Amino acid sequence: NAGVTQTPKFRILKIGQSMTLQCTQDMNHNYMYWYRQDPGMGLKLIYYSVGAGITDKGEVPNGYNVSRSTTEDFPLRLELAAPSQTSVYFCASSYQNGAQYFGPGTRLTVL
Amino acid sequence: AQKITQTQPGMFVQEKEAVTLDCTYDTSDQSYGLFWYKQPSSGEMIFLIYQGSYDEQNATEGRYSLNFQKARKSANLVISASQLGDSAMYFCAMREVDSWGKLQFGAGTQVVVTP
Repeated sequence: NAGVTQTPKFRILKIGQSMTLQCTQDMNHNYMYWYRQDPGMGLKLIYYSVGAGITDKGEVPNGYNVSRSTTEDFPLRLELAAPSQTSVYFCASSYQNGAQYFGPGTRLTVL
Repeated sequence: AQKITQTQPGMFVQEKEAVTLDCTYDTSDQSYGLFWYKQPSSGEMIFLIYQGSYDEQNATEGRYSLNFQKARKSANLVISASQLGDSAMYFCAMREVDSWGKLQFGAGTQVVVTP
Protein backbone atom coordinates (compact mmCIF):
# COMPACT_ATOMS: atom_id res chain seq x y z
CA ASN A 1 0.00 0.00 0.00
CA ALA A 2 1.83 3.11 -1.22
CA GLY A 3 -0.68 5.65 0.18
CA VAL A 4 -0.26 9.03 -1.50
CA THR A 5 2.60 9.40 -3.96
CA GLN A 6 3.85 12.61 -5.53
CA THR A 7 6.26 13.26 -8.37
CA PRO A 8 8.66 14.89 -8.79
CA LYS A 9 10.31 15.32 -5.39
CA PHE A 10 12.21 18.41 -6.46
CA ARG A 11 11.99 20.76 -9.42
CA ILE A 12 13.55 24.03 -10.50
CA LEU A 13 11.62 26.10 -13.01
CA LYS A 14 12.43 29.28 -14.83
CA ILE A 15 9.98 32.16 -14.69
CA GLY A 16 7.24 31.63 -17.27
CA GLN A 17 7.68 27.86 -17.58
CA SER A 18 4.84 25.46 -16.90
CA MET A 19 4.75 22.08 -15.21
CA THR A 20 2.42 19.47 -13.76
CA LEU A 21 2.80 18.04 -10.29
CA GLN A 22 1.51 14.49 -10.15
CA CYS A 23 -0.43 12.98 -7.26
CA THR A 24 -1.79 9.44 -6.98
CA GLN A 25 -3.47 7.65 -4.11
CA ASP A 26 -4.30 3.97 -3.77
CA MET A 27 -6.62 4.14 -0.77
CA ASN A 28 -9.79 4.66 -2.82
CA HIS A 29 -10.35 8.01 -1.11
CA ASN A 30 -12.96 10.16 -2.75
CA TYR A 31 -11.57 13.48 -1.50
CA MET A 32 -8.23 14.88 -2.62
CA TYR A 33 -6.44 18.17 -1.87
CA TRP A 34 -3.49 20.28 -2.92
CA TYR A 35 -1.72 22.49 -0.37
CA ARG A 36 1.29 24.72 -0.49
CA GLN A 37 3.59 25.38 2.44
CA ASP A 38 5.80 28.42 2.39
CA PRO A 39 8.89 28.49 4.64
CA GLY A 40 8.02 28.62 8.35
CA MET A 41 4.30 28.66 7.65
CA GLY A 42 1.32 26.38 7.86
CA LEU A 43 -0.43 24.84 4.88
CA LYS A 44 -2.72 26.72 2.55
CA LEU A 45 -5.29 24.98 0.38
CA ILE A 46 -4.93 25.51 -3.36
CA TYR A 47 -7.61 23.23 -4.84
CA TYR A 48 -9.64 20.27 -3.76
CA SER A 49 -11.79 17.56 -5.29
CA VAL A 50 -14.66 15.57 -3.82
CA GLY A 51 -14.70 12.98 -6.58
CA ALA A 52 -13.78 12.29 -10.17
CA GLY A 53 -14.85 15.19 -12.36
CA ILE A 54 -15.51 17.56 -9.43
CA THR A 55 -12.99 20.19 -8.35
CA ASP A 56 -13.15 23.52 -6.58
CA LYS A 57 -10.90 26.37 -5.53
CA GLY A 58 -9.33 26.66 -2.13
CA GLU A 59 -7.77 29.64 -0.43
CA VAL A 60 -4.93 30.34 -2.91
CA PRO A 61 -5.90 29.05 -6.39
CA ASN A 62 -4.43 31.79 -8.59
CA GLY A 63 -1.80 30.52 -11.00
CA TYR A 64 -2.86 26.89 -10.69
CA ASN A 65 -5.26 24.46 -12.33
CA VAL A 66 -6.37 20.94 -11.50
CA SER A 67 -8.27 18.09 -13.04
CA ARG A 68 -9.65 14.84 -11.63
CA SER A 69 -10.43 12.31 -14.29
CA THR A 70 -10.04 9.27 -12.02
CA THR A 71 -10.45 8.56 -8.32
CA GLU A 72 -6.73 7.87 -7.98
CA ASP A 73 -5.12 10.86 -9.72
CA PHE A 74 -5.23 14.58 -8.99
CA PRO A 75 -2.57 16.50 -10.95
CA LEU A 76 -1.80 20.15 -10.25
CA ARG A 77 -0.83 22.33 -13.20
CA LEU A 78 1.29 25.48 -12.85
CA GLU A 79 1.03 27.83 -15.79
CA LEU A 80 3.54 30.66 -16.26
CA ALA A 81 5.55 29.97 -13.13
CA ALA A 82 6.41 32.96 -10.93
CA PRO A 83 8.91 33.29 -8.03
CA SER A 84 5.93 33.60 -5.66
CA GLN A 85 5.12 29.97 -6.44
CA THR A 86 8.36 28.79 -4.87
CA SER A 87 7.06 26.52 -2.14
CA VAL A 88 6.60 22.94 -1.00
CA TYR A 89 3.48 21.37 -2.47
CA PHE A 90 1.59 18.63 -0.68
CA CYS A 91 -1.14 16.42 -2.02
CA ALA A 92 -3.51 14.74 0.44
CA SER A 93 -6.49 12.44 0.33
CA SER A 94 -9.24 11.33 2.68
CA TYR A 95 -12.65 9.80 3.02
CA GLN A 96 -15.36 12.41 3.56
CA ASN A 97 -15.08 12.57 7.35
CA GLY A 98 -11.69 10.98 7.80
CA ALA A 99 -8.20 12.22 8.47
CA GLN A 100 -6.23 13.49 5.52
CA TYR A 101 -3.18 11.49 4.54
CA PHE A 102 -0.39 13.37 2.85
CA GLY A 103 2.12 12.61 0.15
CA PRO A 104 5.82 13.31 0.70
CA GLY A 105 5.69 16.72 -0.99
CA THR A 106 7.29 18.39 -4.01
CA ARG A 107 9.84 21.14 -3.41
CA LEU A 108 9.53 23.68 -6.22
CA THR A 109 11.86 26.58 -6.86
CA VAL A 110 11.09 29.22 -9.49
CA LEU A 111 14.06 31.31 -10.57
CA ALA B 1 -9.85 35.71 10.24
CA GLN B 2 -7.47 33.16 11.71
CA LYS B 3 -9.47 30.12 12.74
CA ILE B 4 -6.65 28.10 14.31
CA THR B 5 -4.19 29.76 16.68
CA GLN B 6 -1.01 28.17 17.93
CA THR B 7 0.66 30.70 20.18
CA GLN B 8 3.89 28.84 20.87
CA PRO B 9 6.30 29.22 17.96
CA GLY B 10 8.89 26.98 19.59
CA MET B 11 9.47 24.84 22.66
CA PHE B 12 12.30 22.92 24.21
CA VAL B 13 11.56 19.81 26.24
CA GLN B 14 13.81 17.30 27.92
CA GLU B 15 13.72 13.66 27.00
CA LYS B 16 11.17 11.66 29.02
CA GLU B 17 9.28 14.80 30.05
CA ALA B 18 5.74 15.59 28.94
CA VAL B 19 4.98 18.59 26.75
CA THR B 20 1.72 20.38 26.01
CA LEU B 21 1.20 22.18 22.72
CA ASP B 22 -1.53 24.80 22.72
CA CYS B 23 -4.22 25.15 20.09
CA THR B 24 -7.29 27.35 20.14
CA TYR B 25 -9.88 27.47 17.41
CA ASP B 26 -12.73 29.63 16.27
CA THR B 27 -15.92 28.26 14.77
CA SER B 28 -19.65 28.77 15.08
CA ASP B 29 -20.37 25.21 13.93
CA GLN B 30 -21.60 22.68 16.45
CA SER B 31 -20.09 19.79 14.54
CA TYR B 32 -16.41 19.93 13.68
CA GLY B 33 -13.23 17.91 13.90
CA LEU B 34 -9.81 18.73 15.28
CA PHE B 35 -6.58 17.16 14.10
CA TRP B 36 -2.92 17.20 14.98
CA TYR B 37 -0.15 16.54 12.48
CA LYS B 38 3.58 16.11 12.94
CA GLN B 39 6.11 17.37 10.40
CA PRO B 40 9.67 16.16 11.07
CA SER B 41 12.66 17.78 9.41
CA SER B 42 12.31 15.33 6.53
CA GLY B 43 9.17 17.23 5.57
CA GLU B 44 6.35 14.71 5.46
CA MET B 45 3.05 15.40 7.23
CA ILE B 46 2.08 12.63 9.65
CA PHE B 47 -1.43 12.35 11.10
CA LEU B 48 -1.30 11.92 14.89
CA ILE B 49 -4.72 12.23 16.48
CA TYR B 50 -8.32 13.27 15.90
CA GLN B 51 -11.04 14.67 18.16
CA GLY B 52 -14.65 15.10 17.12
CA SER B 53 -16.64 17.93 18.66
CA TYR B 54 -19.25 15.51 19.98
CA ASP B 55 -16.74 13.09 21.44
CA GLU B 56 -17.15 13.16 25.19
CA GLN B 57 -13.82 11.60 25.96
CA ASN B 58 -10.45 13.06 25.11
CA ALA B 59 -8.76 11.24 22.25
CA THR B 60 -5.61 9.23 22.93
CA GLU B 61 -3.18 7.50 20.59
CA GLY B 62 -0.22 5.92 22.34
CA ARG B 63 1.86 8.73 23.85
CA TYR B 64 -0.36 11.39 22.29
CA SER B 65 -3.47 12.70 23.94
CA LEU B 66 -5.71 15.59 23.07
CA ASN B 67 -6.93 17.79 25.91
CA PHE B 68 -10.24 18.97 24.48
CA GLN B 69 -11.98 21.84 26.29
CA LYS B 70 -14.99 22.67 24.17
CA ALA B 71 -16.21 25.69 26.13
CA ARG B 72 -12.78 27.28 25.89
CA LYS B 73 -12.39 26.20 22.26
CA SER B 74 -9.05 24.64 22.93
CA ALA B 75 -7.55 21.37 21.71
CA ASN B 76 -4.12 21.02 23.23
CA LEU B 77 -1.84 18.15 22.29
CA VAL B 78 -0.02 16.38 25.11
CA ILE B 79 3.02 14.28 24.30
CA SER B 80 4.03 12.11 27.22
CA ALA B 81 7.53 10.70 27.82
CA SER B 82 9.12 12.74 25.02
CA GLN B 83 11.65 11.04 22.79
CA LEU B 84 14.36 12.53 20.58
CA GLY B 85 12.32 11.44 17.57
CA ASP B 86 9.50 13.73 18.69
CA SER B 87 11.53 16.75 17.59
CA ALA B 88 9.40 18.20 14.80
CA MET B 89 6.92 20.86 13.81
CA TYR B 90 3.41 20.19 15.08
CA PHE B 91 0.30 21.55 13.38
CA CYS B 92 -3.22 21.81 14.73
CA ALA B 93 -6.02 21.75 12.14
CA MET B 94 -9.80 22.01 12.10
CA ARG B 95 -12.46 20.68 9.76
CA GLU B 96 -15.82 22.42 9.92
CA VAL B 97 -19.12 20.90 8.91
CA ASP B 98 -20.05 21.22 5.23
CA SER B 99 -16.46 22.07 4.36
CA TRP B 100 -15.95 19.10 2.02
CA GLY B 101 -13.34 17.79 4.38
CA LYS B 102 -11.12 20.82 4.01
CA LEU B 103 -8.67 21.46 6.84
CA GLN B 104 -7.59 24.83 8.17
CA PHE B 105 -4.14 24.73 9.70
CA GLY B 106 -2.46 26.74 12.40
CA ALA B 107 1.02 28.17 11.97
CA GLY B 108 2.61 25.32 13.90
CA THR B 109 4.81 24.84 16.97
CA GLN B 110 8.42 23.70 16.66
CA VAL B 111 9.36 21.18 19.37
CA VAL B 112 12.96 20.33 20.14
CA VAL B 113 13.60 17.40 22.47
CA THR B 114 16.93 17.56 24.27
CA PRO B 115 18.81 14.67 25.90
